[in-house]
Amino acid sequence: RKEVEQDPGPFNVPEGATVAFNCTYSNSASQSFFWYRQDCRKEPKLLMSVYSSGNEDGRFTAQLNRASQYISLLIRDSKLSDSATYLCVVNRRGGSARQLTFGSGTQLTVLP
Amino acid sequence: GAGVSQSPSNKVTEKGKDVELRCDPISGHTALYWYRQSLGQGLEFLIYFQGNSAPDKSGLPSDRFSAERTGGSVSTLTIQRTQQEDSAVYLCASSLQQSPLHFGNGTRLTVT
Repeated sequence: RKEVEQDPGPFNVPEGATVAFNCTYSNSASQSFFWYRQDCRKEPKLLMSVYSSGNEDGRFTAQLNRASQYISLLIRDSKLSDSATYLCVVNRRGGSARQLTFGSGTQLTVLP
Repeated sequence: GAGVSQSPSNKVTEKGKDVELRCDPISGHTALYWYRQSLGQGLEFLIYFQGNSAPDKSGLPSDRFSAERTGGSVSTLTIQRTQQEDSAVYLCASSLQQSPLHFGNGTRLTVT
C-alpha cells in the first residue's frame, strides 16, 4: 500500500461546480499536511496547509480526519483557472529524514 | 523575494554522458530536496539535505546518481553515464524545517 494515496481522476467538472478530493495516508505518525497544485509542465506550488480544525481560504476548504487518516480538499464555485493537478503531501516527524511524501495527484479539468 | 533557482532549465544530452544540475535554494532555508518527475507521473524523492546532518540518499535510484550541497546552500545533482530512463524533470525544493516546500522551475533532462 502506498503511504499516500489519491484518486488520480481525471475529474471533469463544469464551471461553477463544487468538487472534492480525498487523500488517505497510512502512517499514523504523520504530523502535518498540505495541498499543492501543479499546472501542466510547471513546478508544484503550495495551495494551502491543512490544520486539525479544518481551514478555509476563499473558495478552498481543507479538512483533516486523523481517526480515518484522510485529508480532503473542497473547491467551491470552480473556475477555469482551477484546472490543474492537486497533490496531497504528508509530513511526518522523526524516523527517516525523508519526511515528506507526495501523493501521485488528482487531475482536475474545469470545463466552460 | 528570490525563489528557488535551478539551472539549466533544459538539458539535452547523449546517452553515456555525465550531467550536472544546479539548485540555488531560498536564502536561509536549511532543508533542500531533490525530486524527479517523469511525464504524467508523481514526484519521486531522490535526496534530502538538512543543515549539517548527513544527507538522506535513500531515494537515489542507482550509484550513477550523486548530490552534494556546498556551504549549506547551493546543491548540485550529478548523473553519470546517463541512460534514456533518466529523462525526466528534476525538481529542487527548499524549506525551513517542518515548513512547506518551495520548488524551483525544474530542469527538464532529455537523454537521447
